[in-house]
Amino acid sequence: DAKTTQPTSMDCAEGRAANLPCNHSTISGNEYVYWYRQIHSQGPQYIIHGLKNNETNEMASLIITEDRKSSTLILPHATLRDTAVYYCIVQSNFGNEKLTFGTGTRLTIIP
Amino acid sequence: ETGVTQSPTHLIKTRGQQVTLRCSSQSGHNTVSWYQQALGQGPQFIFQYYREEENGRGNFPPRFSGLQFPNYSSELNVNALELDDSALYLCASSQDRATNEKLFFGSGTQLSVL
Repeated sequence: DAKTTQPTSMDCAEGRAANLPCNHSTISGNEYVYWYRQIHSQGPQYIIHGLKNNETNEMASLIITEDRKSSTLILPHATLRDTAVYYCIVQSNFGNEKLTFGTGTRLTIIP
Repeated sequence: ETGVTQSPTHLIKTRGQQVTLRCSSQSGHNTVSWYQQALGQGPQFIFQYYREEENGRGNFPPRFSGLQFPNYSSELNVNALELDDSALYLCASSQDRATNEKLFFGSGTQLSVL
C-alpha cells in the first residue's frame, strides 16, 4: 500500500513557483521524505530529501510540516524543462528497505 | 564521470523466450538496483546487488534473476517471458547499499513481449 497521497496532476505557469503537495499521515519517526522526478523517456532523478527540517538545494525546497504528516516540494521558478512526473516517497534511509514509488503527480509547466 | 548506462534501449521478445538486460553503474558506485515500470505506474523494486551478492528483493518470481560483476556492472535475466513482463526496466546505482539517498537511474530498457 502506498504510504503517500499526491494529486494526480497539476499545472503551473512558466516562471512561477510550483508547489507540489504530499500527504504522509502514517510516517514513522525514522522515515525520510524523498522526492524524485521522471521526465518523459528518462529514468527518475533525485531531487531532495528530508527528515524534519526544511531543506533547500540547487533544484528545489522541501517544506515538512511540524507533525511530519505532510510536505510540499517547491520549484521556485518553474521552466518548461520541469514538466515531469514528481514522486513523493516515504522510506527509511537505512537497512534493506528500498524506494517504493507510487504513481506521482504529473506536473505540466504552461508557457 | 560517466552516468548509468543501460542496453539495449528497446527490445521485442515473444512469450516464453528469455531476455538479458545490461547495466553499467556510475563510476565509484558499488550497488545496483533494478526496477520495473509498467505503463502509467511508478517503478517497482525488483532486487538489489551489492558487491556481487543479492541484497534485497521485491515481490517478483524466481524467473527474474540477476548478476553483478566485479566491475559492479549488472545483468537482469527474465526467463519464460509473459505478456505482463512488457515494461520499462530501470537500473539505478548508488554509492552505498544501506542508504536510499541519491539513486542514479539509467534511461531504461523498454521491453515488449508479444
